[in-house]
Amino acid sequence: GAGVSQSPRYKVAKRGQDVALRCDPISGHVSLFWYQQALGQGPEFLTYFQNEAQLDKSGLPSDRFFAERPEGSVSTLKIQRTQQEDSAVYLCASSLQRILSKNIQYFGAGTRLSVL
Amino acid sequence: KNQVEQSPQSLIILEGKNCTLQCNYTVSPFSNLRWYKQDTGRGPVSLTIMTFSENTKSNGRYTATLDADTKQSSLHITASQLSDSASYICVVSAIAAGNKLTFGGGTRVLVKP
Repeated sequence: GAGVSQSPRYKVAKRGQDVALRCDPISGHVSLFWYQQALGQGPEFLTYFQNEAQLDKSGLPSDRFFAERPEGSVSTLKIQRTQQEDSAVYLCASSLQRILSKNIQYFGAGTRLSVL
Repeated sequence: KNQVEQSPQSLIILEGKNCTLQCNYTVSPFSNLRWYKQDTGRGPVSLTIMTFSENTKSNGRYTATLDADTKQSSLHITASQLSDSASYICVVSAIAAGNKLTFGGGTRVLVKP
């Protein structure tokens, strides 16, 4: 596809359940980002990959959150023992190059997670 | 803490009218400022990117301005269309943060016929 693809689009989980969210970045994009967007708020940074290396995970809210990008393309964000406060839209973005001033990030449509 | 504040939180305008959205930031040292448009249920889409030396950038009916001295930016929408109804998010990055972006809370714009 031409853009960043995320799946599933919607996920309903029972509190305590583990979930896995997938991101397919644009082919050839080196950088990949995960964001959490609460209702009515702007996205907040979670973690950043350059190829397969996770260079920044300072935004992950707890050790229940884990992200990986083992082959430098597809990435998975895993949330263990989900809590109600994890309910949000999880956005993935990719960009072509590494650290450049005007590097454009292309966003997926997001996965809306609802924890009951 | 690096912050990005936007105003107003929301606004309603009539089709064909102009409007201006504001963004104040405290991100330092400043690298660049971006405006994104986010339609409901979609990911944000980049409208403009400005670095320290740029004080205006246009993309069709969207014009962004930047005053790096006062740390303020604005996004002006000219001759609004129904399709302009969306959230507009101001995003700032710091030099030391690489690609890490700090997002504002967004301004929700509703264009009415």
